[in-house]
Amino acid sequence: EPEVTQTPSHQVTQMGQEVILRCVPISNHLYFYWYRQILGQKVEFLVSFYNNEISEKSEIFDDQFSVERPDGSNFTLKIRSTKLEDSAMYFCASSEGVGRTTDTQYFGPGTRLTVL
Amino acid sequence: TQLLEQSPQFLSIQEGENLTVYCNSSSVFSSLQWYRQEPGEGPVLLVTVVTGGEVKKLKRLTFQFGDARKDSSLHITAAQPGDTGLYLCAGYSSASKIIFGSGTRLSIRP
Repeated sequence: EPEVTQTPSHQVTQMGQEVILRCVPISNHLYFYWYRQILGQKVEFLVSFYNNEISEKSEIFDDQFSVERPDGSNFTLKIRSTKLEDSAMYFCASSEGVGRTTDTQYFGPGTRLTVL
Repeated sequence: TQLLEQSPQFLSIQEGENLTVYCNSSSVFSSLQWYRQEPGEGPVLLVTVVTGGEVKKLKRLTFQFGDARKDSSLHITAAQPGDTGLYLCAGYSSASKIIFGSGTRLSIRP
């Protein structure tokens, strides 16, 4: 069964460093998403992406964050200058479409980001 | 702001017992989803309920969507240790944005 994959599974970085989290969405999906989950808290929406543009973003997704689809298979989340509070699990998701009840978002296994 | 509140936060029961967990909101949702999340993994969709009053069954799991589409419940019959996990309800607050509840952490004791 097709699945969303994410690399790395765990990333440790120093505060102020840039990190890039990578995702390979399901191949025929057109919509891509990033969510994060701080330890012990809810899963929170960060951004949705379609047709090489951001469709929607949350207030969390400030200028320190950016997303890109650099080629036909990868979808990346970049954090330019990491802060301690960026430590969280970051989940990538993809869906075939939006707006229909059948447009399920499939989540990857996540990248655990630890900022020291 | 749309919020999804789940109760209870934690539930520990003996194998073979039945249980119900709840998901409530003051907002109307076009659909609600239930996910299960294992430690260190992403949420996995169990079911989507769409119509007010709808009941869906997945083996020993029964999901119900409230008539007003503001709440949902998950009932597990004869719980087994393999049912242990974090159960999340979620709903679309826009076409692409899912909001999640804080989850019910379920532990089934053998």
